[in-house]
Amino acid sequence: GAVVSQHPSRVICKSGTSVKIECRSLDFQATTMFWYRQFPKQSLMLMATSNEGSKATYEQGVEKDKFLINHASLTLSTLTVTSAHPEDSSFYICSAASGATSGNTIYFGEGSWLTVV
Amino acid sequence: AQTVTQSQPEMSVQEAETVTLSCTYDTSESDYYLFWYKQPPSRQMILVIRQEAYKQQNATENRFSVNFQKAAKSFSLKISDSQLGDAAMYFCAYRSYYGGANSKLTFGKGITLSVRP
Repeated sequence: GAVVSQHPSRVICKSGTSVKIECRSLDFQATTMFWYRQFPKQSLMLMATSNEGSKATYEQGVEKDKFLINHASLTLSTLTVTSAHPEDSSFYICSAASGATSGNTIYFGEGSWLTVV
Repeated sequence: AQTVTQSQPEMSVQEAETVTLSCTYDTSESDYYLFWYKQPPSRQMILVIRQEAYKQQNATENRFSVNFQKAAKSFSLKISDSQLGDAAMYFCAYRSYYGGANSKLTFGKGITLSVRP
């Protein structure tokens, strides 16, 4: 089946620095990628939807200047957490949609644990 | 806006027994997709089963089957012959037919399933 790879799986950064998380679709072209944040024992919270070559669409309450999303190609989207603080520590998951219709499957990356110290 | 409700936060089942996880949703749309995702301790999101709203026949995947009641907006997951590896968090999700690849998944809060040996 289709694979979405997310990197790094775990990252620790110092407060005030920026960290980048990559999401790659390995064997299909991802028209759309989604970024989620998940707190322990809670559901996935959609942060933003990104389309290749376009600005990401952020969900209400998500700081677009803090969580920079770039979808430079049909196989790569990145999430950069800028000026990270301990409250940004979380599990971040990306997913990618293949094809142009909503009937196509959405595939998830393995997720990235971010710890800000 | 669509909502997905999973009212049971936790359930437990004896190995080899059958368990049913409940999910209800609210929508004004007639065309949509419903999903059950499994998230084991590894945190990888795994698609368990999907149902197209226009299909009257309930979807089945090996030991997993759904009871889709469109009029009642109910979408329960039945796991037969439960195995230790079924222990995970399970999320019910809705995806609108409209919006193409940008159509996002709306998740329920999830249910933690434990399997007793």
